[in-house]
Amino acid sequence: AQSVTQLGSHVSVSEGALVLLRCNYSSSVPPYLFWYVQYPNQGLQLLLKYTTGATLVKGINGFEAEFKKSETSFHLTKPSAHMSDAAEYFCAVSDQRAGGTSYGKLTFGQGTILTVHP
Amino acid sequence: NAGVTQTPKFQVLKTGQSMTLQCAQDMNHNSMYWYRQDPGMGLRLIYYSASEGTTDKGEVPNGYNVSRLNKREFSLRLESAAPSQTSVYFCASRRGHEQYFGPGTRLTVT
Repeated sequence: AQSVTQLGSHVSVSEGALVLLRCNYSSSVPPYLFWYVQYPNQGLQLLLKYTTGATLVKGINGFEAEFKKSETSFHLTKPSAHMSDAAEYFCAVSDQRAGGTSYGKLTFGQGTILTVHP
Repeated sequence: NAGVTQTPKFQVLKTGQSMTLQCAQDMNHNSMYWYRQDPGMGLRLIYYSASEGTTDKGEVPNGYNVSRLNKREFSLRLESAAPSQTSVYFCASRRGHEQYFGPGTRLTVT
């Protein structure tokens, strides 16, 4: 079984400040990890993903995340927040079966609402 | 290329009524998914379809049924709606490791 915990349901930053959204996961197999963003009254959009290879992954809109196996973490960062970053962010882990068969089912964290103040 | 589309956008039902949520994708994806989103709980998988002709239960399937009508369409049916099914429902399809989400259906059951 796999699970995702996002620390902090609400995060508030000033425009130009560092954004740090925390995600810890539990998985019995090497995980595929994702961050999605949801703007008000819209569906989810993929920000970035980690599958294999480089543990620091870069995504859209200046976001990046680092996979740390020893800490079972996949925190999302952005050096300088912009007003347009205000949204809800979801961390997710995908099922992956031994032998490579995957149905691509995602388990999501509870979500973190990011507020950006002028 | 519309991506993933869902109808209706909004719906209000009375307890015990039935309805079908429609989802279609034009990206020729094999796998499709239905999730529900509730405040503070993220998205939870209701049902999924790994390919045309197959469906399987996710984390919260009780009270729902699905039909994979063809490769494009994957519908979700509530046979007897309950207030606990008040939620926002998202359909998604998958290519590789990425899922593409529709805009959602906001359902209220009174």
